[in-house]
Amino acid sequence: EVQLLESGGGLIQPGGSLRLSCAASGFTFSKSVMTWVRQAPGKGLEWVSAISGSGDYLQYADSVKGRFTISRDNSRATLFLQMSSLRAEDTALYFCAKVAETLFDSWGHGTLVTVSS
Amino acid sequence: DVQMTQSPSSLSASVGDRVTITCRASENLSTYLNWYQQKPGKAPKLLIYSASSLHTGVPSRFSGSGSGTDFSLTISSLQPEDFATYYCQQSYTTPPFTFGPGTKVEI
Repeated sequence: EVQLLESGGGLIQPGGSLRLSCAASGFTFSKSVMTWVRQAPGKGLEWVSAISGSGDYLQYADSVKGRFTISRDNSRATLFLQMSSLRAEDTALYFCAKVAETLFDSWGHGTLVTVSS
Repeated sequence: DVQMTQSPSSLSASVGDRVTITCRASENLSTYLNWYQQKPGKAPKLLIYSASSLHTGVPSRFSGSGSGTDFSLTISSLQPEDFATYYCQQSYTTPPFTFGPGTKVEI
């Protein structure tokens, strides 16, 4: 059974940095494209970033490009999202998801990031 | 970037009703269109991929259709557990993997 467990969220001041983690199990992590999707309170889903299985190919939404960095550690089956220069509009529940072809077939339960002074 | 719209934004329905949600893309997606269901406080779940293929374990009362720019998700007989928000997502031109704004199905 695929399991994805996010962690690292919390309350952070504007301009601050935070690193999210997503521990994966139940599938061959190193062969899977992984992605982050966020959801602001009461709002819809927004794709944030994706990374290839090898970690060589990275993709970002324009809203986070230059501020967020996606990475992975295949030896630990863990996905990361390093977030810096955080803004109030980055406040959201952040989900990691496994990508199969071009669809997101398994999701974690999310970790909440609140950017506020 | 591809823009996605959904209609209606919300709807009220009763158990047993047939419900149809539509999704429109600003560009031709062929059949690279997926549907997700999200219940309050929960992660989204994949329902349908490639416009009309049912994901593993999804009840057959769910169906998808369409191609190009116009798609629809139909629930043939609404069940209590189907009250949720439904999102379409394009996967033809990526990045970004654009989601629609969602349709909330309420009692």
